[in-house]
Amino acid sequence: DTEVTQTPKHLVMGMTNKKSLKCEQHMGHRAMYWYKQKAKKPPELMFVYSYEKLSINESVPSRFSPECPNSSLLNLHLHALQPEDSALYLCASSQVSGGEYEQYFGPGTRLTVT
Amino acid sequence: GENVEQHPSTLSVQEGDSAVIKCTYSDSASNYFPWYKQELGKRPQLIIDIRSNVGEKKDQRIAVTLNKTAKHFSLHITETQPEDSAVYFCAARGGYSTLTFGKGTMLLVSP
Repeated sequence: DTEVTQTPKHLVMGMTNKKSLKCEQHMGHRAMYWYKQKAKKPPELMFVYSYEKLSINESVPSRFSPECPNSSLLNLHLHALQPEDSALYLCASSQVSGGEYEQYFGPGTRLTVT
Repeated sequence: GENVEQHPSTLSVQEGDSAVIKCTYSDSASNYFPWYKQELGKRPQLIIDIRSNVGEKKDQRIAVTLNKTAKHFSLHITETQPEDSAVYFCAARGGYSTLTFGKGTMLLVSP
């Protein structure tokens, strides 16, 4: 099973709302990622978790707060977002070591901030 | 950090023709080079990859070549079909074990 799942598929939120995006994988991967993708652009790395610990934060504003409750789950908590944060948010997972570098993406959450 | 350049940004071919997309990278320590296909509104899908100890890899109509000396790698699609139309991203795995993506190539295959 090479599937990464994400919920919700679509999310519309106001600038004062608090919402969360969820990601799940059951491939035994110990690295999980959040990416942001704008239209016609490549995925842009936001955060990396390795063995459930935050290893990379690409200078993401604090209105985005990641959480990795266990090795299968990854959340992204959203608060006080701006309209320019509207984008496709992709979760991905991969092995951490052993030469298995394949990174698999979830279907994404299409976020609109009004 | 790693920098990946991808060309062309758009590529239009007739069905049955071949398509070639080229990428260059800057970090000589990069050791893994995947290619992703992304259809409109869908997730990036890994279609083929190559490791730095291999010069070429083929999977049916798709092949990837790697020239470590020149630091460039290419995606070759033969006998293109309309369903190959999508945006293709190359990427390189660098020193921090993260992927750096090229800007993408929109491939249009006309029937």
